[in-house]
Amino acid sequence: NAGVTQTPKFQVLKTGQSMTLQCAQDMNHEYMSWYRQDPGMGLRLIHYSVGAGITDQGEVPNGYNVSRSTTEDFPLRLLSAAPSQTSVYFCASSPGLAQETQYFGPGTRLLVL
Amino acid sequence: KQEVTQIPAALSVPEGENLVLNCSFTDSAIYNLQWFRQDPGKGLTSLLLIQSSQREQTSGRLNASLDKSSGRSTLYIAASQPGDSATYLCAVRGNDMRFGAGTRLTVKP
Repeated sequence: NAGVTQTPKFQVLKTGQSMTLQCAQDMNHEYMSWYRQDPGMGLRLIHYSVGAGITDQGEVPNGYNVSRSTTEDFPLRLLSAAPSQTSVYFCASSPGLAQETQYFGPGTRLLVL
Repeated sequence: KQEVTQIPAALSVPEGENLVLNCSFTDSAIYNLQWFRQDPGKGLTSLLLIQSSQREQTSGRLNASLDKSSGRSTLYIAASQPGDSATYLCAVRGNDMRFGAGTRLTVKP
């Protein structure tokens, strides 16, 4: 049981490039979410999904796209990277939406030049 | 909009001390509150989850309390150890999940 996995661990992009951050979980969790963490701030919710085929926006969705074609995978796409998207990105999953503990991946550190 | 505040931002204590970390939130309409630990360069590890109907949860040397009506939670760490050094984050779950900025704890040997 690997839990929540994220790839890559670290990535450098140039402004305007696109990329996909991968997230997978093997716990059959319905709820998955993406956060970004910036220095001195808490985690902020980017997008979330309550099940395959269903996604919704969080607090800071601009510049990011998501899709959920399977229960296991929840990729985050940066359409045209900007320096303001330099951050550490965390993926999380939980069995349900309201009452359950969230499990976090190890994070992806992204630097946009 | 839910806002979550953690005080203090940083705390340094000698080994063996009992300590309290504070978390406050502005909207009491929550499903639960969760305390996490984050080590430098790592992801978050869940420590305790308190449902909105509960008052406290305990795990080993950790005890978390929740007072929903006043918008406050505390994390009590007994007999602190150097291995407890980390950043502690609280998060409240309502329509979405909101995090505090964390308290960076250093326990000196």
